[in-house]
Amino acid sequence: GENVEQHPSTLSVQEGDSAVIKCTYSDSASNYFPWYKQELGKRPQLIIDIRSNVGEKKDQRIAVTLNKTAKHFSLHITETQPEDSAVYFCAATSRSGTYKYIFGTGTRLKVLA
Amino acid sequence: GAVVSQHPSRVICKSGTSVKIECRSLDFQATTMFWYRQFPKQSLMLMATSNEGSKATYEQGVEKDKFLINHASLTLSTLTVTSAHPEDSSFYICSASLKGASTDTQYFGPGTRLTVL
Repeated sequence: GENVEQHPSTLSVQEGDSAVIKCTYSDSASNYFPWYKQELGKRPQLIIDIRSNVGEKKDQRIAVTLNKTAKHFSLHITETQPEDSAVYFCAATSRSGTYKYIFGTGTRLKVLA
Repeated sequence: GAVVSQHPSRVICKSGTSVKIECRSLDFQATTMFWYRQFPKQSLMLMATSNEGSKATYEQGVEKDKFLINHASLTLSTLTVTSAHPEDSSFYICSASLKGASTDTQYFGPGTRLTVL
């Protein structure tokens, strides 16, 4: 069935360093790829998204890249800060429904001060 | 804009009772609402997709008679966990997508922590 793989499951970086999280999706019909940040006990917050007709998108310290051929997309956070520490989830839309998401398994990012 | 609320934020109930969770889109009309369950340190698992005025579509393995979903208006969907048991204890999160928008973006509610004793 459709699935989204996400790596790594945990990531520790020093403050100021960059963090990269990678996802691979299986459904070639997926056309929208959002990234969410979730702090403990809170709701997921959309931090950036990308559509299949775009290869890269950037918003300040956050960027997302998409390789449709390889079915890979990645989140890049530069100049990390302690407040970036959270769990990050990638998602891809499913062909089974226009707005249905398949979520990755999550990456716990810890930024060390 | 695009704010989604959930009520209650936390509920503790006895085994065998039913619990209703409300999900509201506060400043927009939601074409579709989604219900997810999230166990500790795990990802969000979609339970069902709900469209206003029609029956919900449940994911494989989710019992529709146990998790009743009603989507009576474009701003309100409810999830009722019937005859709750301890294994139903989880974080339940809803999301909503904008009616008429060209985006697929889902906006999430703050979640409801259900504890079944």
